Amino acid sequence: GDSVTQMEGPVTLSEEAFLTINCTYTATGYPSLFWYVQYPGEGLQLLLKATKADDKGSNKGFEATYRKETTSFHLEKGSVQVSDSAVYFCALQDFGNEKLTFGTGTRLTIIP
Amino acid sequence: DAGVIQSPRHEVTEMGQEVTLRCKLISGHNSLFWYRQTMMRGLELLIYFNNNVPIDDSGMPEDRFSAKMPNASFSTLKIQPSEPRDSAVYFCASSFRAGARNYNEQFFGPGTRLTVL
Repeated sequence: GDSVTQMEGPVTLSEEAFLTINCTYTATGYPSLFWYVQYPGEGLQLLLKATKADDKGSNKGFEATYRKETTSFHLEKGSVQVSDSAVYFCALQDFGNEKLTFGTGTRLTIIP
Repeated sequence: DAGVIQSPRHEVTEMGQEVTLRCKLISGHNSLFWYRQTMMRGLELLIYFNNNVPIDDSGMPEDRFSAKMPNASFSTLKIQPSEPRDSAVYFCASSFRAGARNYNEQFFGPGTRLTVL
């Protein structure tokens, strides 16, 4: 079945540091890939997406590239801010299937 | 536009009591998802509906859990009787599905934090 493996947390970085959160997936078809973010006390919000191989999703300075050859969708940001502190979830959705398969989430804390 | 609305935001109850969680979909959406989030198990899909019809309920833990869509814009998740291990944050999410598309974005509600004593 489908699965998503994400980098274990928690991750603590200083402000303006470079961020990478690793995500790899297993899927039988041609999934769409997502990063969701959950701020304290809130529900998940879509951060970015990519729907086919080599697509790059980007939003709020975050980027992730759909790499079919390595089955990866790593999240990156060049310079993190305190406001980026949250839990980040990688997820996939098979074509034509509404079900999302989530990774375990990575808690990110940015210290000033 | 209002997002997904969940109520209550917090619920504290005693073991054995019935608990009902409520969710209002975003206007125009036709798919509804119930998730449970715990530290131990992360985010789990319990059940989802499309056009009021349950499509996949394989994540529902046991018969104590039931979910309904009495109309196209509203859903309930009921736990009867509740147990301490049901303590979690329960999220619902909605989306719009129109035929086969390459993705359907899900919009999450703020969640209901359930504590069963």
